[in-house]
Amino acid sequence: DTAVSQTPKYLVTQMGNDKSIKCEQNLGHDTMYWYKQDSKKFLKIMFSYNNKELIINETVPNRFSPKSPDKAHLNLHINSLELGDSAVYFCASSQDSSWGDGYTFGSGTRLTVV
Amino acid sequence: SQKIEQNSEALNIQEGKTATLTCNYTNYSPAYLQWYRQDPGRGPVFLLLIRENEKEKRKERLKVTFDTTLKQSLFHITASQPADSATYLCAPSGGSYIPTFGRGTSLIVHP
Repeated sequence: DTAVSQTPKYLVTQMGNDKSIKCEQNLGHDTMYWYKQDSKKFLKIMFSYNNKELIINETVPNRFSPKSPDKAHLNLHINSLELGDSAVYFCASSQDSSWGDGYTFGSGTRLTVV
Repeated sequence: SQKIEQNSEALNIQEGKTATLTCNYTNYSPAYLQWYRQDPGRGPVFLLLIRENEKEKRKERLKVTFDTTLKQSLFHITASQPADSATYLCAPSGGSYIPTFGRGTSLIVHP
């Protein structure tokens, strides 16, 4: 199946821990993204990579560090987790960074920090 | 700053009617406007993209309009079905504007 797949689907962890979320796309897209959807359902962009290069870095705490080993993968590592990090994190991809194409989203990772 | 407004109240309609959802934006001029559907517990699914030089775009029962003067897009679902019940998100984008999503409007189609 062609898709954007992210793992894990659910992540429950204690404050202060470090965790990673992985994302892979097999669509041949050049651009990948991390979005955060909070409890009020706002979907906010965090990072974007185009061909392994960081092109968007919104005002996100530096505890969040994305890594793109190749253009098909974009991982998100979070250090020293805080309660406010609880949200659903979506990975997405698009053909390029002109933003003139629709995105394909993964199914999300629900992160709960306790 | 850039702002996107979608009706925060749920839209309730009867099966078979046309649903019309509104997306207004301020303080920028996107080249494109995208519409997505999101079901509970799932990621958004891309539906349609309309360009600034297009007035209207159709796909099956869906129709989108884009009025750059009013800074508004309308999203229509004709002959609505209960399976169309979901949250619909708009996302102006393009040029120097990264896609920014509205909060979405929940559509509930009653049988």
